[in-house]
Amino acid sequence: EAGVTQFPSHSVIEKGQTVTLRCDPISGHDNLYWYRRVMGKEIKFLLHFVKESKQDESGMPNNRFLAERTGGTYSTLKVQPAELEDSGVYFCASSQNNYGYTFGSGTRLTVV
Amino acid sequence: AQSVTQPDIHITVSEGASLELRCNYSYGATPYLFWYVQSPGQGLQLLLKYFSGDTLVQGIKGFEAEFKRSQSSFNLRKPSVHWSDAAEYFCAVGARNSNYQLIWGAGTKLIIKP
Repeated sequence: EAGVTQFPSHSVIEKGQTVTLRCDPISGHDNLYWYRRVMGKEIKFLLHFVKESKQDESGMPNNRFLAERTGGTYSTLKVQPAELEDSGVYFCASSQNNYGYTFGSGTRLTVV
Repeated sequence: AQSVTQPDIHITVSEGASLELRCNYSYGATPYLFWYVQSPGQGLQLLLKYFSGDTLVQGIKGFEAEFKRSQSSFNLRKPSVHWSDAAEYFCAVGARNSNYQLIWGAGTKLIIKP
């Protein structure tokens, strides 16, 4: 069984640019989560999809962040325009209806 | 509000020595508790979890954790560490909503001395 795939693994962009992160969950997992870890801090929840619907996006920092999940399959997280404080590691995870998360390896975003 | 505290940012232990990583939580009811590990270049991997029952939980890679309600703690232990245990360890609590959302501590980086 393939795991959760995230790409790119690293991205370095300039302030003001746009970046799109992608997550491919495990096939059949209806739940998809995005989390973020800013350097040295705790991992924080961003949002949760159930299939293609946003179940909870209370953790999204502001309207520069846009998440989509096309057809209930892969998800993208777009940051536009990026700011310095958006730097961090973005984790994606998928699960069936429980705490049985499978995490991707994360995308390390650096905004310079 | 729910929160998780991992008081140690870094811990250094000698290979073969015992290990205890601390985790305290703030929660209004019996929590669901988790320990994850992130090795360099890898994703977060579940070590063990506590939902109910026996308060001493066994996990993978020889790790165990004990839930102590009176101390609001869920400390992770291993009797003898190996160099491959060098990683960052995260404690988390499951938010009691319908989303199965996790609330995380800041992590503890484990360094192994040869």
